[in-house]
Amino acid sequence: DAGITQSPRYKITETGRQVTLMCHQTWSHSYMFWYRQDLGHGLRLIYYSAAADITDKGEVPDGYVVSRSKTENFPLTLESATRSQTSVYFCASSDGTKYPHFGDGTRLSIL
Amino acid sequence: KQEVTQIPAALSVPEGENLVLNCSFTDSAIYNLQWFRQDPGKGLTSLLLIQSSQREQTSGRLNASLDKSSGRSTLYIAASQPGDSATYLCAVRNQGGKLIFGQGTELSVKP
Repeated sequence: DAGITQSPRYKITETGRQVTLMCHQTWSHSYMFWYRQDLGHGLRLIYYSAAADITDKGEVPDGYVVSRSKTENFPLTLESATRSQTSVYFCASSDGTKYPHFGDGTRLSIL
Repeated sequence: KQEVTQIPAALSVPEGENLVLNCSFTDSAIYNLQWFRQDPGKGLTSLLLIQSSQREQTSGRLNASLDKSSGRSTLYIAASQPGDSATYLCAVRNQGGKLIFGQGTELSVKP
């Protein structure tokens, strides 16, 4: 089935560790996004990508790295996780003309 | 820098009431404005998308308006039902594809 899949759904890790959150979409959408959602802050844009090999910073990019070597994948890496990065992370994709489709989210806890 | 604000942060109404949710944005150079719904613990579901050249969009009991010059949008929900209880988010998209969200309005419709 066509869709957008995030993995893992839940992750617990320790400070200082590297963590990679995966996002895969089957529509060949050109745009992909990563957001974090925290109480009191709504959804904040971390990074977005307009096409393969094109990425740009959002509102809160510090501490995160992204890559997009293939159109369908947009992994998000926390190079050295900190407690402040505990959050729910959402990936989304869009063809640029219509509303984006969101994944179910990854709940990340950093101890 | 685009900033999106939603008022009120929370709203509780009795079933059957008509209600209005507000969204304001600071930069009027938008490509489109979108309204989403989020149920607890879930991802986002798109509701309405208004292109920058449009004034309003309607879907069933929902009507969204856009006044780009004043940086405002409203989401009107007619004859509210308990199933409408959720968090409603607005987001603005710029020409480059960046999609910025407000913090959301948490709606509770009491039977």
